[in-house]
Amino acid sequence: GQQLNQSPQSMFIQEGEDVSMNCTSSSIFNTWLWYKQDPGEGPVLLIALYKAGELTSNGRLTAQFGITRKDSFLNISASIPSDVGIYFCAGQLGGSNYKLTFGKGTLLTVNP
Amino acid sequence: NAGVTQTPKFRILKIGQSMTLQCAQDMNHNYMYWYRQDPGMGLKLIYYSVGAGITDKGEVPNGYNVSRSTTEDFPLRLELAAPSQTSVYFCASRDRGGYEKLFFGSGTQLSVL
Repeated sequence: GQQLNQSPQSMFIQEGEDVSMNCTSSSIFNTWLWYKQDPGEGPVLLIALYKAGELTSNGRLTAQFGITRKDSFLNISASIPSDVGIYFCAGQLGGSNYKLTFGKGTLLTVNP
Repeated sequence: NAGVTQTPKFRILKIGQSMTLQCAQDMNHNYMYWYRQDPGMGLKLIYYSVGAGITDKGEVPNGYNVSRSTTEDFPLRLELAAPSQTSVYFCASRDRGGYEKLFFGSGTQLSVL
């Protein structure tokens, strides 16, 4: 099946630092999504991107849909302890019957 | 508003046992999904449904069965549980228009020993 390469696999940062993570694929996606999963919970949608080049913010989070439609990145500015969790990218391929392909996740740890 | 509710939260099975993971949503969503999450492996789609009476296989359907008799409920059945089915299972739903915006349940952690 299609794969999304998400990096880094994990990050350990100090509170207040900025964070950047990205996803790449060999396939073109119509939609890119970023989810966050808190421990013991299901993923929650953070940002949805629909057009190549689109840059969208949600508070301290900013995500972009790559121009080639094969990649996306997520930035978190001024990290805080509650940013801890696993961040997943997900993409929707054209003609995929609206099924999503998920990346393997980035585990973020924020040291207060 | 409860959203997507999964039961049980935790379960331990012996090899060869069967069980049903329950999923219910109260948002009148047509689309429902079952995913499994293995450590460091992201989410893999097991089965999905586009409406009552309609189901289809995802990436990893072997060893599982589903049914969708109502809009609200989408149970996942494990027959003859195997250690390879040890995982965290998530149910999700979405409405017809917001096809990419999945609402997830809080998961069922299953161990097969």
